[in-house]
Amino acid sequence: DQQVKQNSPSLSVQEGRISILNCDYTNSMFDYFLWYKKYPAEGPTFLISISSIKDKNEDGRFTVFLNKSAKHLSLHIVPSQPGDSAVYFCAATNQAGTALIFGKGTTLSVSS
Amino acid sequence: DVKVTQSSRYLVKRTGEKVFLECVQDMDHENMFWYRQDPGLGLRLIYFSYDVKMKEKGDIPEGYSVSREKKERFSLILESASTNQTSMYLCASAIGLAGGRETQYFGPGTRLLVL
Repeated sequence: DQQVKQNSPSLSVQEGRISILNCDYTNSMFDYFLWYKKYPAEGPTFLISISSIKDKNEDGRFTVFLNKSAKHLSLHIVPSQPGDSAVYFCAATNQAGTALIFGKGTTLSVSS
Repeated sequence: DVKVTQSSRYLVKRTGEKVFLECVQDMDHENMFWYRQDPGLGLRLIYFSYDVKMKEKGDIPEGYSVSREKKERFSLILESASTNQTSMYLCASAIGLAGGRETQYFGPGTRLLVL
């Protein structure tokens, strides 16, 4: 059973607009969440993370929001750029965990 | 900058061959991981290691084994490659914080085709 779910396989956005990628989790023990970006034929690169003691973390154009009660997090990219086109993976872990649990990914396409 | 390197970007092997995928990290990280990525399935953990000579099974260890003889090197072994092991293989490393909650850094991946 999937513990981290990215229910939208793909998202298309116009350049300059906001991209919102969503992620839901089922394990209430998860307390650290990460977003990775992956281009074709490359390994995932770390983008941004958030601890459960926060509800928002911002880094430049990227902001992650965490709603613990809903077990939901989202990644906002503002403004979106064509170079943001990639697969975005949500991942989660906890204090007891060593391995990350990944979602299946959302493919973002930003058109100019 | 953390650097994780993988021995090959692309590999083509035949069914039944023994395949070695090598991964090296240069940041003295304790933890190392092997994942495979398949379309629509995301990243699935095969094995991980939190110390030299230590290994733990991930979600899909069947058909794979690993070796960690040195801290910086983590090898994935396909004892007898099969076509359903055609995939993108990704190695990652992490510092190894006692409290978990850490970022993993990935290598560029090895795309393996088993014929």
